[in-house]
Amino acid sequence: ETGVTQSPTHLIKTRGQQVTLRCSSQSGHNTVSWYQQALGQGPQFIFQYYREEENGRGNFPPRFSGLQFPNYSSELNVNALELDDSALYLCASSLPQITDYGYTFGSGTRLTVV
Amino acid sequence: DQQVKQNSPSLSVQEGRISILNCDYTNSMFDYFLWYKKYPAEGPTFLISISSIKDKNEDGRFTVFLNKSAKHLSLHIVPSQPGDSAVYFCAASDVRSGGSNYKLTFGKGTLLTVNP
Repeated sequence: ETGVTQSPTHLIKTRGQQVTLRCSSQSGHNTVSWYQQALGQGPQFIFQYYREEENGRGNFPPRFSGLQFPNYSSELNVNALELDDSALYLCASSLPQITDYGYTFGSGTRLTVV
Repeated sequence: DQQVKQNSPSLSVQEGRISILNCDYTNSMFDYFLWYKKYPAEGPTFLISISSIKDKNEDGRFTVFLNKSAKHLSLHIVPSQPGDSAVYFCAASDVRSGGSNYKLTFGKGTLLTVNP
C-alpha cells in the first residue's frame, strides 16, 4: 500500500509567478485535501476535492485553485505568487466518511517565494 | 480567531515519565478530535482520535481524554520514549454538518522533547 506522494519536495519561485504542486493519493482514498503550513503555525485548510469537484474551501483567495483527476491524484495551483505564500503545502488523502484514521498526509512541498 | 489552541509551544520530559499535551477549543460544533505527530521534513502522522460521544480513547501508550464541558482535550503518553520527540498537533472537525467534507482545524503544535 503506497502512501501519499507529493512533488516537488522543494521549490523556489519569484513573486508574481505561478506554481503547480502535485499529489498522488493513498491507494483506495478518493478524497484529497490541501493544507498550508506557515512557519510556526499549524496546517490551515485550503480546499478539498471529492469526485473531481471542490468539496469545501477554507479562507484562501481564488488565486489558489485545484484539480482532482479520475485516478484521485490532485494538483494545487497558485497564481500571482506573494511572499506570504512561502510555506509547506501538505496534501492529505482519505475516504469520504470519517474513519478512525483521519487523513494520511504527504511529506509536503516546501515553497519559497522570493 | 484561533478555534483550536495549544498554549504550550514546548514540553520537555524524562524518558519513562508521563507526557501530557493539552489542547483547548472554542467552537462547540467540533465533534471529532485528532492528534497528529510530525517529525521534521515529514508530513503529520495520525496518532489517535476521539469522538465527542466518548471521554477517553486508548491506543497502547497513548490516551486521549476529552472534557466537552471545558472544551479541553489532552494527550497522555506513558511511558515517554526518546522516539516520541516531535511536534504534536491537536486537530478538530465538525463532522455532523460537514457531510463528506470534514476539514480539520489545527492548533499551532507543541514540541515534545523526551530526554534519555
